[in-house]
Amino acid sequence: NAGVTQTPKFQVLKTGQSMTLQCAQDMNHNSMYWYRQDPGMGLRLIYYSASEGTTDKGEVPNGYNVSRLNKREFSLRLESAAPSQTSVYFCASLDTPRYEQYFGPGTRLTVT
Amino acid sequence: RKEVEQDPGPFNVPEGATVAFNCTYSNSASQSFFWYRQDCRKEPKLLMSVYSSGNEDGRFTAQLNRASQYISLLIRDSKLSDSATYLCVVNMYGIVQFYFGSGTKLNVKP
Repeated sequence: NAGVTQTPKFQVLKTGQSMTLQCAQDMNHNSMYWYRQDPGMGLRLIYYSASEGTTDKGEVPNGYNVSRLNKREFSLRLESAAPSQTSVYFCASLDTPRYEQYFGPGTRLTVT
Repeated sequence: RKEVEQDPGPFNVPEGATVAFNCTYSNSASQSFFWYRQDCRKEPKLLMSVYSSGNEDGRFTAQLNRASQYISLLIRDSKLSDSATYLCVVNMYGIVQFYFGSGTKLNVKP
């Protein structure tokens, strides 16, 4: 059982470049999330998708876009990367009855 | 004001010690409460949910105080393997959005 998978694991971008972070879950969960984690800041919600076909902004959505491609996949796009977007990005899905979030292994992004 | 606040620590304790962490939340509409554990450079994983009456899972005990808006985690007989960052998480009723504290780091020393 793969759980939540993310690609890539590491990425270095130059300022102004774009990229898409991929996330997939095989647990048939309805809700999926994108967080970023910076030192001393904890996890901050970028966007979430409560169900297939819906997306909502979280605490720090500026500079990002998302696509809920289907029930399994939820991607995060950086259109024009900035050094302030250097962070670790985690994708998660929600086991609704238990309200337990399952996280992917994270993507470590550096923007120079 | 942050939705969820935690003492960042680190808490440095010897093996076998008892250690407690507190976490405060700002929104009285918060309904569900959790402790997650995060090892260095790894993803967070659920440690335990926190129920209104308090709950225990082995060496771990979680308590909720709605009047004062805080939750606590007590770890008894600390093991080296308990060294990690513990994240406090809250959720409001009917909303699938979660708020994370910045985490409390625990170091258990031999």
